[in-house]
Amino acid sequence: AQKVTQAQTEISVVEKEDVTLDCVYETRDTTYYLFWYKQPPSGELVFLIRRNSFDEQNEISGRYSWNFQKSTSSFNFTITASQVVDSAVYFCALSDAVTSGTYKYIFGTGTRLKVLA
Amino acid sequence: GAGVSQSPRYKVAKRGQDVALRCDPISGHVSLFWYQQALGQGPEFLTYFQNEAQLDKSGLPSDRFFAERPEGSVSTLKIQRTQQEDSAVYLCASSLQGTRGQYFGAGTRLSVL
Repeated sequence: AQKVTQAQTEISVVEKEDVTLDCVYETRDTTYYLFWYKQPPSGELVFLIRRNSFDEQNEISGRYSWNFQKSTSSFNFTITASQVVDSAVYFCALSDAVTSGTYKYIFGTGTRLKVLA
Repeated sequence: GAGVSQSPRYKVAKRGQDVALRCDPISGHVSLFWYQQALGQGPEFLTYFQNEAQLDKSGLPSDRFFAERPEGSVSTLKIQRTQQEDSAVYLCASSLQGTRGQYFGAGTRLSVL
């Protein structure tokens, strides 16, 4: 079965601290895609990154970095030197077209990040 | 438009009323998805369109839910005889093609009293 687990319900950090958000996924497919989205209080889901199952290279974009490890079925997200504007709910999502046939997302339950000034 | 547009942003309905939620995707995006997000939860898939064809409606919770995209652009999600359990945020997303990232609208928050 397809499943995404975000075990951390809420994390609070002080500004400038680094923080890692965990994501563990389950799928039977060998071809799949993983995503991270940010949902600020306004409600709109903001696309952060897309990663396919054949690319295990870690990625860095500014203060954001992602660690994809197929061996542990994890796709963790790290924010370096966090800022108050990073406060939001972050969702990890899985899309596997072979099983679903439609590229629909399976979302985790989200992690609420609070960055305190 | 520059992004996915949804209207209305907020809708209050009395139990038993019918509602219609509109989604205007990014121009040229072939794929369109509807999701339902309950309070404190992640979005859950409802239905998927490729152009005007509804290829997957496996997530629609009951036959009271109906979606259409007649010209392959704007989509409408209709809920008939609304119930309190239908209260949620309804998110629309579009994608250039299936494997690319989905771009979401701000959602419609439906409250059924």
